[in-house]
Amino acid sequence: AQSVTQLGSHVSVSEGALVLLRCNYSSSVPPYLFWYVQYPNQGLQLLLKYTTGATLVKGINGFEAEFKKSETSFHLTKPSAHMSDAAEYFCAVKGGTGFQKLVFGTGTRLLVSP
Amino acid sequence: DTAVSQTPKYLVTQMGNDKSIKCEQNLGHDTMYWYKQDSKKFLKIMFSYNNKELIINETVPNRFSPKSPDKAHLNLHINSLELGDSAVYFCASSPPEGYGYTFGSGTRLTVV
Repeated sequence: AQSVTQLGSHVSVSEGALVLLRCNYSSSVPPYLFWYVQYPNQGLQLLLKYTTGATLVKGINGFEAEFKKSETSFHLTKPSAHMSDAAEYFCAVKGGTGFQKLVFGTGTRLLVSP
Repeated sequence: DTAVSQTPKYLVTQMGNDKSIKCEQNLGHDTMYWYKQDSKKFLKIMFSYNNKELIINETVPNRFSPKSPDKAHLNLHINSLELGDSAVYFCASSPPEGYGYTFGSGTRLTVV
């Protein structure tokens, strides 16, 4: 079975500051890992994903995440926050290929102040 | 051209009613899903269909019945609506290898 823990239901940063959203996972098989963003009253948009290969993955809008197997982590970072980054961010895990469900964390609300 | 489209976007109905939410994808994906997002933003899978066949059925009340007439459509019918059914319901689809899911914009269901 797979599970995801996102530390911090809310993270506040100033515009231009580093963004770090934490995600730890549990998986009985090699995981596929994802970060999604949800803007108010909208659906979920895929930011980036890790399946196999390079452990540092780059996504849209300047975000990146690093898969660290030893730490069972997949933290999301962005060097410089922008006001438009304010949204809800979800980390998700899937147990490899095949008909495995995508399991989401509880989400982290990113607040960006001027 | 919307990849995964859901209708309606908003649905307000009284307790005890029966309602349906429709979902269509034009991505050519084989697998479709229904997720429920509660008031605390928690996302939980309800059902998954692969090429019209039910493959994931979480512990969802049997008042919820998914129907997939073809692999591009997955509808959700809910009987005898209850207050606790109020949530945002998301449809999603994925390719066979199940990498990234593409989500619809959601249906906000309010039961009064």
